[in-house]
Formats: sequence, C-alpha cells, structure tokens
Amino acid sequence: KQEVTQIPAALSVPEGENLVLNCSFTDSAIYNLQWFRQDPGKGLTSLLLIQSSQREQTSGRLNASLDKSSGRSTLYIAASQPGDSATYLCAVRNTGFQKLVFGTGTRLLVSP
Amino acid sequence: NAGVTQTPKFHILKIGQSMTLQCTQDMNHNYMYWYRQDPGMGLKLIYYSVGAGITDKGEVPNGYNVSRSTTEDFPLRLELAAPSQTSVYFCASRPGTSGGYNEQFFGPGTRLTVL
Repeated sequence: KQEVTQIPAALSVPEGENLVLNCSFTDSAIYNLQWFRQDPGKGLTSLLLIQSSQREQTSGRLNASLDKSSGRSTLYIAASQPGDSATYLCAVRNTGFQKLVFGTGTRLLVSP
Repeated sequence: NAGVTQTPKFHILKIGQSMTLQCTQDMNHNYMYWYRQDPGMGLKLIYYSVGAGITDKGEVPNGYNVSRSTTEDFPLRLELAAPSQTSVYFCASRPGTSGGYNEQFFGPGTRLTVL
C-alpha cells in the first residue's frame, strides 16, 4: 500500500531564503508525482507534475526532482516570497491505479 | 474556461438528511474524482469516473453515491448524513489522454458540516 510522507509538517523562513520541501513514498512503482499548493480555505492548485521517467521539472522559481529508486521527491523554492506562504502537498499516482495518494502537506510561512 | 466548479461552497446538514454536492468541468476531461479532506489528513478518494456512465469506488466510498450521465457533471450524493461526513469535499478532473501531461485539476471545495 502506497504511503506518502512529507517532512517537515511546518516551516517558517524569512523572505529571500531558498528552501526545500521533502516528500517520500513507500512504493516506487509510480506513474507520476504531482506537487500542489493549497491556500487556507481554498482548493488545490497544481504546481508541477513529474512523470516516472523524468528526473525533474521546473516552473519559474520552483524546481521539483524525483528519485524513484529511493522513493523521494523534493520541491525547491528559490528566493522565497511572502506570497509563497501556503500548504504544499505532494501526491503520487501508482501505475495501474486511478487515485492520487496524498501526503499531509508542509505548511510554509514566509515572513517579510 | 471556468475549470472545475463546485456548489455549494458551504453547507450545514442535519444528521440523517441527504444532499447532493455538484461538480462541473468545462474542459472535456474524461476522468473525474471526488476526494475528502479532513483536518490534518491528506485527501482521500471517495469515488471516481473514467467517462460518462462509468464510475468506481475509491478508498472511502461508504455513505456516498455518484453518477456520471454527462462528461461535464459528476454529482456526489450523501444519504443519511452522519457527523463523520463533516469534511471538505474536492472534485477534480484530468484529461485521461495516454502519455503526456496528466495533471489533476481541482475545484475550490465544498465545506460540509453535519450536526
């Protein structure tokens, strides 16, 4: 059974710092991995999707990497801004399955 | 495109009542999903559909029903509501094309309280 863990559960940094959010999963037979952002009381916004054959994806200040063999993904945020404050969720879809298995998220606070 | 829309945004239901949460997408996506999110927990899949007329259970289907009569709509029905169904419900969709990008796009959620 796939399990997804995100560490740390919460992170507080000053504006301008580069930071890394971690996601680990127990079953390496994944089809893809998706990173989401969730603002309080809002829905999920897709940030990046990495197919199982890819090592990384980039969008603006965000870079997500995937190491299937070790069951890890990282989301790198460069030059953090207060507007980056949100909960970041990692979700994995296993090969042959429809559902996404979600981690419980990392709550990020970037202070000015 | 409006994307994935959900109604209502908030609702309070009494124990034993029934209601339908609405979900519509205008992206012509084949796949649609219903998740619930409980405080401090990850999202869990309730039901999903791979196309009009086809639905299947997810991890936590008990107490819910779905139908998919059109590509656009995927309503979630709660029968005999219980306090354990207090949660935030998210609808999502994805294109379903083989290969390539297969992002799931989420609606804004329905916050449901059962008292």
